[in-house]
Amino acid sequence: QQQVKQSPQSLIVQKGGISIINCAYENTAFDYFPWYQQFPGKGPALLIAIRPDVSEKKEGRFTISFNKSAKQFSLHIMDSQPGDSATYFCAASAGGSTLGRLYFGRGTQLTVWP
Amino acid sequence: DTGVSQDPRHKITKRGQNVTFRCDPISEHNRLYWYRQTLGQGPEFLTYFQNEAQLEKSRLLSDRFSAERPKGSFSTLEIQRTEQGDSAMYLCASSAPGLQSGNTIYFGEGSWLTVV
Repeated sequence: QQQVKQSPQSLIVQKGGISIINCAYENTAFDYFPWYQQFPGKGPALLIAIRPDVSEKKEGRFTISFNKSAKQFSLHIMDSQPGDSATYFCAASAGGSTLGRLYFGRGTQLTVWP
Repeated sequence: DTGVSQDPRHKITKRGQNVTFRCDPISEHNRLYWYRQTLGQGPEFLTYFQNEAQLEKSRLLSDRFSAERPKGSFSTLEIQRTEQGDSAMYLCASSAPGLQSGNTIYFGEGSWLTVV
């Protein structure tokens, strides 16, 4: 059972456009929602993360929007660049007994055309 | 801080052979995780250590898999009697709750395993 559902599976955006990736979860115990960026042959790298006490977090061109009641969160990449072309994974974890184990979505392959 | 280090980066082995991967976490990180990732999928949790104690194991971790972290620093993941289905990238990650990084989990570059 997929704990975190991610869409779309692939996304093609023109340079300068906005890329939007969505994730949904069911487990209300989740309290930490990171996004990871992964280039081919590399390990995932933390991009940005949010906790449910805020509805939005912005770091540079990257913004996470969080809707606790809908149990959804999304990544917005503003002014998308060809260098942003990578696979993006949303993830979630809970504190307590799971001690930070991450549950990942299936990933979104982003291609930004120049 | 050199990040999470994994060795080897690539391993090709024949079916039935044993393989071992090593992970050196970020210094002072007391939590160490192993994940497995196959092409087109997100990483899947395998197991987790806090210091030298293995606190959680996924059902994905069959009896052929064993992980250790004997001194609470580096860790090894051994796969015995490898099968073709074991072909994947094995990712190590570490974190340090209590430090400024909080619950942030940092991944290494991964160890690619191909079983032929």
